Amino acid sequence: KQEVTQIPAALSVPEGENLVLNCSFTDSAIYNLQWFRQDPGKGLTSLLLIQSSQREQTSGRLNASLDKSSGRSTLYIAASQPGDSATYLCAALPQGGSEKLVFGKGTKLTVNP
Amino acid sequence: EAEVAQSPRYKITEKSQAVAFWCDPISGHATLYWYRQILGQGPELLVQFQDESVVDDSQLPKDRFSAERLKGVDSTLKIQPAELGDSAMYLCASSPQAGPFYEQYFGPGTRLTVT
Repeated sequence: KQEVTQIPAALSVPEGENLVLNCSFTDSAIYNLQWFRQDPGKGLTSLLLIQSSQREQTSGRLNASLDKSSGRSTLYIAASQPGDSATYLCAALPQGGSEKLVFGKGTKLTVNP
Repeated sequence: EAEVAQSPRYKITEKSQAVAFWCDPISGHATLYWYRQILGQGPELLVQFQDESVVDDSQLPKDRFSAERLKGVDSTLKIQPAELGDSAMYLCASSPQAGPFYEQYFGPGTRLTVT
């Protein structure tokens, strides 16, 4: 059974810092890995989706990488801003069996002005 | 830009009462998902529809939860009777089709509090 873990659960950084959020998954047989942003009390906003054949995806100040062999993905945020404060969730879509998104518990990011 | 709509945004109900949530997916999206997210956890799939048919409801507590998508467009999720443990965010998502090559788009969610 696929399990997704995100460490740390919470992270606080000063504005302008570059930072990395980590996501690990137990089964490398995945179709894709997706990163979401969730503001307090709100729904999920998709940030980046990496297909299993890809190594990374970039959107603006965000860069996500995928290493299936080690079961890890990272989300890199450059030049962080207070507006980046939110919870970031990663989700893996397993191959075979029930093809349902498996989410981590998220990392709550606070960027201090 | 097309969005998934959900209502109500917030709902407070007493235990043993009935409650219903509504979702309108992005136009043309055949696949609709209902997720439950307990505070501090990631979302978990409750039910998946392909058009009007249920594809997966293995995690839906069928003794109290029901879901329908009668015309293959909008959907309703019902809880009767509500229990304290049902307090959570209920998220709806849609995608053009099912499968790994179609991204899911999430709505704003309904925050349920059961007292």
